[in-house]
Order: sequence, then structure tokens, then C-alpha cells
Amino acid sequence: SQTIHQWPATLVQPVGSPLSLECTVEGTSNPNLYWYRQAAGRGLQLLFYSIGIDQISSEVPQNLSASRPQDRQFILSSKKLLLSDSGFYLCAWSVAVGGYTFGSGTRLTVV
Amino acid sequence: QKEVEQDPGPLSVPEGAIVSLNCTYSNSAFQYFMWYRQYSRKGPELLMYTYSSGNKEDGRFTAQVDKSSKYISLFIRDSQPSDSATYLCAMSNSGGSNYKLTFGKGTLLTVNP
Repeated sequence: SQTIHQWPATLVQPVGSPLSLECTVEGTSNPNLYWYRQAAGRGLQLLFYSIGIDQISSEVPQNLSASRPQDRQFILSSKKLLLSDSGFYLCAWSVAVGGYTFGSGTRLTVV
Repeated sequence: QKEVEQDPGPLSVPEGAIVSLNCTYSNSAFQYFMWYRQYSRKGPELLMYTYSSGNKEDGRFTAQVDKSSKYISLFIRDSQPSDSATYLCAMSNSGGSNYKLTFGKGTLLTVNP
């Protein structure tokens, strides 16, 4: 069966520090992969999506970047975190029409 | 007008009540409609998935899509305290490599014992 792993679950980082969140998928090949941020009152905001290795589309210009070095690995990064980067980050995958499967999320607090 | 509108609530009901959750949308190209349930501090989980107009039932949950009115609903019968969560509607116009969902902001539901 397909599973998605996302870590860490919580993270507290100082302003200006780097960020690396990792997401891996098991049990499927060539999935579409997505990074979302969820902020209170703002719903789910699509940050990046990828249809294949090294194929990344950015939805919102910002302080973040994404990479997909392997078929089932998706990484969200930042060189210097801002206070406004705080939020709940969710990785998701899909292989066809039928909905996304989300990871358990990372709660990031930038202090 | 936002692509997907969803009343954020909060909605509080007694145990056993019938709950109705709704979303409206503006993009007539949407064909795939989903409902997700999200417990506090967890990722959303897919609850219901429907294609085009019509009804779909799964246990105590019924999803309805009315494309002519651009309106979708989720009904929960005999609601339980374990149904307390945020419910998000989501929709898409296609699958394949350009498959992206548009989400509502979510409705917070509390079922009181």
C-alpha cells in the first residue's frame, strides 16, 4: 500500500535560519507531489507541485524553494526564514484523478 | 469572486444531529469534487470523491454535487463526537499532469455529546 512520510512533525527555527523539510512516498511510482501551507483563516495554499524528477512548478513567489532529487522524494527549503514563513506545511501526492493523499504535516514556528 | 467559497463556521451540533456542509464555486470547468476531513494538528484525509453531478453515499456520509448551481454538499447523518473536525471541500477540472485541486477554507464542526 502507498504511504507518505513527512518530517519533522514540529519545528521551531529562528528568523534567518535555513529550512529543510522532507517528504517521501512509498508504494507508488511517478507520483505528482505537492507542498501546501496552511495558515489559520487562510485555508490551504499550494506552494509547489512536481510531475517528475527535477520538474518543479512554483505557485506563489516567496522565500521558499522546492526540489525533487528522486522520484519519490520532495524537499521544501529556505535559505533564510522569515516570521511570515510560520505555518503548517503539508506534503501530498497523487497518481491520477481521485484525490490527494496528505502527509501528517510539519508545524513550523519561526521565532 | 473567489473560486471556492466555504462557510468557515464554526458549526456546533448535538450528537445524533444531521449535519450539512456546503461549498459554492465559480469555475464551471470543475468536474471532480472531494471532501476532506482534518483533525486538529493532522493532515487532511480524503472522505468522499465524486465526479460530475449526482449523489454518492458512504455509510453516514452523503456527498451531493449540483453543477448547474455550482454547489456541493456533504451530509453527515447520526453525527458522532468523533466527527468533530474541519471539513474541506476540494475540486478540480482535470486529471493528468495538470491535476491540481482548489480547496475551500474549511468548516470547523463540533459534535457535542
